[in-house]
Amino acid sequence: GNSVTQMEGPVTLSEEAFLTINCTYTATGYPSLFWYVQYPGEGLQLLLKATKADDKGSNKGFEATYRKETTSFHLEKGSVQVSDSAVYFCALSDRGSGGSNYKLTFGKGTLLTVNP
Amino acid sequence: NAGVTQTPKFRVLKTGQSMTLLCAQDMNHEYMYWYRQDPGMGLRLIHYSVGEGTTAKGEVPDGYNVSRLKKQNFLLGLESAAPSQTSVYFCASSYQLENGYTFGSGTRLTVV
Repeated sequence: GNSVTQMEGPVTLSEEAFLTINCTYTATGYPSLFWYVQYPGEGLQLLLKATKADDKGSNKGFEATYRKETTSFHLEKGSVQVSDSAVYFCALSDRGSGGSNYKLTFGKGTLLTVNP
Repeated sequence: NAGVTQTPKFRVLKTGQSMTLLCAQDMNHEYMYWYRQDPGMGLRLIHYSVGEGTTAKGEVPDGYNVSRLKKQNFLLGLESAAPSQTSVYFCASSYQLENGYTFGSGTRLTVV
């Protein structure tokens, strides 16, 4: 079956530090990959996505590259801000064979805290 | 364009009481989902629907029922609330999974 494994948190960084949150996946078909962000007290928002191998998703200074050879989709940002403090979820949708997969598979989330 | 709207945003129930959580989307999405989020547990799928009039069980369906009588609405019911159902509940919808989900802002439910 499908699964997503992301690094356990919490992750604590100082402002302007470099961020990497690792995400690896297992899928039976041809997944699309996503990063969602959840700010305190809010719902999840789509941060970025990639739909095929070697695609790079980017938004708000965050980037992630779909690596089929390593089944990974690591989230990176060159210089984090206090306002980036949130929980980050990696997820996949697997079109698979037969087209019977109707839901996303999520990782457990990684809490990021950025200190001034 | 409101997206996905959940009502209510907060609720406190006594054990044994019943309630219905409403999710409404105005994006003409076929797929709708109910998740619960608990500390350290990530998101767990309760029920989902792939179209009007259809529902299916997710990972943790016990104690919940759902209905999708209209395409834009997905209702989650608790017939007899238990303290173990204290959680934050999120609704989501999708047109194509390749585009991901749109989430609502959540309902924080406390059962005492």
